[in-house]
Amino acid sequence: TQLLEQSPQFLSIQEGENLTVYCNSSSVFSSLQWYRQEPGEGPVLLVTVVTGGEVKKLKRLTFQFGDARKDSSLHITAAQPGDTGLYLCAGATSGTYKYIFGTGTRLKVLA
Amino acid sequence: NAGVTQTPKFQVLKTGQSMTLQCAQDMNHNSMYWYRQDPGMGLRLIYYSASEGTTDKGEVPNGYNVSRLNKREFSLRLESAAPSQTSVYFCASSDTDYTEAFFGQGTRLTVV
Repeated sequence: TQLLEQSPQFLSIQEGENLTVYCNSSSVFSSLQWYRQEPGEGPVLLVTVVTGGEVKKLKRLTFQFGDARKDSSLHITAAQPGDTGLYLCAGATSGTYKYIFGTGTRLKVLA
Repeated sequence: NAGVTQTPKFQVLKTGQSMTLQCAQDMNHNSMYWYRQDPGMGLRLIYYSASEGTTDKGEVPNGYNVSRLNKREFSLRLESAAPSQTSVYFCASSDTDYTEAFFGQGTRLTVV
């Protein structure tokens, strides 16, 4: 069974601080997605990474896919209250049609 | 674009009642999915449809049935609702089996 472990589970920080969220697995994925989910809403796609070692930037968010395509990280620089939410990683393997989701990191950024 | 649209947004059922959750996508995606989200359990796959005309079980299919009505629509049916099916249900779609999935806004279902 493929599993994706996210850490930390909860994170409460002050506005302006930096943070990193990790997503780890023993399985190799064809691609990995990061989503942000707000209360009462569905997950919203932030980024997809497909190549080992790939780094993508989305404003203050930096995403990295591990060289072996088993893990990923999300780094937020100078966090803002608008970054508050549940961050989910999801791995997909070609031919399986099964996105494996991590249990999420609940981030709260205090003003 | 609407993306993925789910109806209804909220529903309360009594134990033993049946209902169908509707999902439609306007992105011309081939694959569609139904997930449930429970506290501490993350998102778990109930059923998926790799392409029009096919459906397959996911991780937690018991108590559910699905229909891929056409390329746009994928419905989830609870034949005899149980309290254990109280959850938030999400429909999603993707172009292929490993490209990004796009989610609807969810249906919050309570079975009493």
